[in-house]
Amino acid sequence: KAGVTQTPRYLIKTRGQQVTLSCSPISGHRSVSWYQQTPGQGLQFLFEYFSETQRNKGNFPGRFSGRQFSNSRSEMNVSTLELGDSALYLCASSLGTIQETQYFGPGTRLLVL
Amino acid sequence: DAKTTQPPSMDCAEGRAANLPCNHSTISGNEYVYWYRQIHSQGPQYIIHGLKNNETNEMASLIITEDRKSSTLILPHATLRDTAVYYCIVRVPLDSGYALNFGKGTSLLVTP
Repeated sequence: KAGVTQTPRYLIKTRGQQVTLSCSPISGHRSVSWYQQTPGQGLQFLFEYFSETQRNKGNFPGRFSGRQFSNSRSEMNVSTLELGDSALYLCASSLGTIQETQYFGPGTRLLVL
Repeated sequence: DAKTTQPPSMDCAEGRAANLPCNHSTISGNEYVYWYRQIHSQGPQYIIHGLKNNETNEMASLIITEDRKSSTLILPHATLRDTAVYYCIVRVPLDSGYALNFGKGTSLLVTP
């Protein structure tokens, strides 16, 4: 089975712009979770989508949003970018039931200038 | 949420067993212990998880103490490619689904 894929792998934006990141889960997986990783804060949970609905949300401002499509692919959007949004953004997929393991993609590295 | 405590760094000689400890003294009865590792700038890689019993797979073994307050990840024959940050995570239950609460992990250096 192909693993979790994320596009683009690298991205450079300027402050105030918005960005959309994409995640394709493992075939058959219905849950997609997003995480942000920075040197200062480590890996932090952003939100989780399951069957096109946001099921859980971490403690991030409303500038961070996402959606999930009927084929389980997910997108994450960050509006009005700030310098502090520079990070590695990771998505993870799982079958979606409470017991299932999350598998991570390679991440998208975003640099905000 | 149950917190985990791990040593910030460890060294291991290539070919020897690497034993990575984790303390999770406030774990509740229905929380699983998960181990992931992250090689520099890549996505975290799932290793193993367990609830009460010891577990083994092709990558590692997980030993959980009887009181579940601590666990040890064992890489039986460490190689240079096992150099990574290892995260011990107690799964945080949410209303439905769950999030992984990553701490700072243990940076394992495998030396020749």
